[in-house]
Amino acid sequence: DADVTQTPRNRITKTGKRIMLECSQTKGHDRMYWYRQDPGLGLRLIYYSFDVKDINKGEISDGYSVSRQAQAKFSLSLESAIPNQTALYFCATSDPGLAGAEQFFGPGTRLTVL
Amino acid sequence: QKEVEQNSGPLSVPEGAIASLNCTYSDRGSQSFFWYRQYSGKSPELIMFIYSNGDKEDGRFTAQLNKASQYVSLLIRDSQPSDSATYLCAVNRDAGNMLTFGGGTRLMVKP
Repeated sequence: DADVTQTPRNRITKTGKRIMLECSQTKGHDRMYWYRQDPGLGLRLIYYSFDVKDINKGEISDGYSVSRQAQAKFSLSLESAIPNQTALYFCATSDPGLAGAEQFFGPGTRLTVL
Repeated sequence: QKEVEQNSGPLSVPEGAIASLNCTYSDRGSQSFFWYRQYSGKSPELIMFIYSNGDKEDGRFTAQLNKASQYVSLLIRDSQPSDSATYLCAVNRDAGNMLTFGGGTRLMVKP
């Protein structure tokens, strides 16, 4: 089984709808992240969480919110989706004890907002 | 100016050649540097990381870091068609795990 899973893998929705993307991990890591990827722009950080009680905004948090339900679960919500939120979304985890601060990525969710 | 910059490519090399991918960063306080490979539609996977000036080798891959010039590069020897992917450079700016990614360089290895 994959260590970091994301649901759904693909989603098409309409402008104004509320959408939730879910991330679960079995790696036992405290730190979790949400990124979006647009062609040519690499990965941009939306929100991150260093433990269940710690939530922080990334560089592009406007229009998004998150919930850290447990150490293993970190959800991203779009309260009112808009077309420019069409992107590939990745969840990632990391362990602060690991040398090199490697982040482990989920398979991604492709979101299309019409 | 972007914090981490990469040429978007595509960089095209023949099979068996050396592919050289470059990345520059703006924050002199950056501490660790990462190269991720991403196949189309897939998630990024770590190839290697480096935090000391000089070269670090792992199989066909060599990462090179020059903090004075603020650049990090990735060399791929004996390039294979299976190396065709987008390569993302990422920089860690502090003791935590926060990464800033470049836009990626698309590499094409032609048989």
